[in-house]
Amino acid sequence: EPEVTQTPSHQVTQMGQEVILRCVPISNHLYFYWYRQILGQKVEFLVSFYNNEISEKSEIFDDQFSVERPDGSNFTLKIRSTKLEDSAMYFCASSENQETQYFGPGTRLLVL
Amino acid sequence: RKEVEQDPGPFNVPEGATVAFNCTYSNSASQSFFWYRQDCRKEPKLLMSVYSSGNEDGRFTAQLNRASQYISLLIRDSKLSDSATYLCVVNFSGTYKYIFGTGTRLKVLA
Repeated sequence: EPEVTQTPSHQVTQMGQEVILRCVPISNHLYFYWYRQILGQKVEFLVSFYNNEISEKSEIFDDQFSVERPDGSNFTLKIRSTKLEDSAMYFCASSENQETQYFGPGTRLLVL
Repeated sequence: RKEVEQDPGPFNVPEGATVAFNCTYSNSASQSFFWYRQDCRKEPKLLMSVYSSGNEDGRFTAQLNRASQYISLLIRDSKLSDSATYLCVVNFSGTYKYIFGTGTRLKVLA
């Protein structure tokens, strides 16, 4: 069964450093999403991406964040200058028809 | 009022019990509704979409009440493996944004 994959599974970084989280969505899917979940809290929408551009973003997704689909298969989330409060699990999801979303296993980011 | 609201629980029920969760949403223009299941430190997994006419999948039944702006999930004959957090997800009409509730924790006890 096709699945969304994410790398790395864990990332530890120093405050102020840039991180890139990678996702490979399911191959025939057209809609892509990033979410985050701070430990013990709810899943929060960050951004949706369709047709090579951002279709919607939340208040959390400020200028420190960017997304890219560089090569037609990978979908990346970049955090330019990480803050302590960026520590969370980051989930990528993809969808064929803007209905059912399939989530990747997540990247656990720890900012020290 | 929160956009999507759930009772966090935990709901502790014995094996074989029937348990029901509700989720309320604030935006009457909401379009799509889903129940996801999340195990500890894992990704959310789709349990079922919720349709206006209600839908059933084995032991699970989901219903939508647009007038009162809530969706429900009923689990019959609960199993130990049903222990998880159940997430209510709502998509607002005309947006690509999906709002998650805080989740309801279920513990099924032997």
